[in-house]
Parts: sequence; structure tokens; C-alpha cells
Amino acid sequence: NAGVTQTPKFQVLKTGQSMTLQCAQDMNHNSMYWYRQDPGMGLRLIYYSASEGTTDKGEVPNGYNVSRLNKREFSLRLESAAPSQTSVYFCASPREDGRLYTGELFFGEGSRLTVL
Amino acid sequence: QQPVQSPQAVILREGEDAVINCSSSKALYSVHWYRQKHGEAPVFLMILLKGGEQKGHEKISASFNEKKQQSSLYLTASQLSYSGTYFCGTKRVSGGGADGLTFGKGTHLIIQP
Repeated sequence: NAGVTQTPKFQVLKTGQSMTLQCAQDMNHNSMYWYRQDPGMGLRLIYYSASEGTTDKGEVPNGYNVSRLNKREFSLRLESAAPSQTSVYFCASPREDGRLYTGELFFGEGSRLTVL
Repeated sequence: QQPVQSPQAVILREGEDAVINCSSSKALYSVHWYRQKHGEAPVFLMILLKGGEQKGHEKISASFNEKKQQSSLYLTASQLSYSGTYFCGTKRVSGGGADGLTFGKGTHLIIQP
């Protein structure tokens, strides 16, 4: 089992370019999240999806769009990248044992994005 | 709203103890603790649900004071492997998808031999 897989791991963009970060989980979880991590700021929630077909804004959604394509995949899109979006992006999914929420977040390895 | 962690950084000698605090101005359903090594993803340590429970994991334990909306992470007889950044995450409602986990800014822990 791979758990949570993110692609790409590294990306350099120019201001104004667009790109999509892909995330897939093979744990059959309902919920998936996108976080960004910046030095001194901790992890901040961009968007989350409680189940297939639903998405909701987190703390810092501006400049991003998401798609919950199916139960496995949750993508994050930057339509017009800005230098302020330079960050490490993590996709995560909380462990679920049946209907019991255990609280354990499984993270992908992260996607390091630089916007010049 | 981000929970507030303190201290921001701690430098210890191997074998010393450390306490990391996490507080919120809002009522919480649960507090979650994670550790992150440089260049890696955060790793789950433990979850504490409202009810004021205390949990332990070898020499790492935590408590949750529901009345004060505060949690503390205790690291006793620290080892070099404990070095990293510790994050507390909070949830205000139960369930996995009702809202995401809100993290504090982190506490950097450096253990020296």
C-alpha cells in the first residue's frame, strides 16, 4: 500500500502559469485535505473534501481550486501562480476504521513548489 | 483560528525533559500531536479527545484540559531521535470530514548529545 501519493514532488513555475497538484490515496478513506506549509506558519488548510463530490474551503483558499474527481483522487489547481504561493504542499487523509474517526492523518511526501 | 503553541523552540541535552503547550480560544473536540523531521511529512503521535484524558506513548505523553482548552505534550528523558518540529492540531467538531485539522505554528525541538 502506498498510502497517499502526491505528484509532482518538485515544480518551478513562472508568475502567471497554471498547474495542478495531484493526490491519490489507496486507503478507501472518505476525507482528503490539502495543506500548505511555510516557514514559521505551520500547516494551513487550503481546502478539504469530506466525501466524494464535496469540497469546502479551509483557512487559505484564495488562488486555489480543487476537484474531488473520485474517492481516490483530490487535485489542487493554481490557475495563475504568484510568488506568494511558493510553498510546500501536503495532501492528507484521516484514518477511518469503519465509522470511527481515529484522528490519524496520513500525509503524502509533499510537493515543493517555487513560483518565480 | 490557529492554536497557539509555546515555546517556539527548545534546546535540550539528551536525557532532559521537555513540555510543549498548545492552547485554543475556542472549544475543542480533540487535540492531535504530530512530529515532523526536516524535509519529511508530519507523523502522527497521538490524539486526545475532550474529556480531559491523558495518553502515553513510551516516554512521550500528553494531556488535554478541556476547561482551559489546553493540551501539553511531555517528552521525558529525551533522545536524539526526538529532535524535530512538533505541531498540535485541533478540531472543533467530531468526525473526519466535518472540518479539517487546524495546526499551530510548531515548536522546534533540538536535542544535543
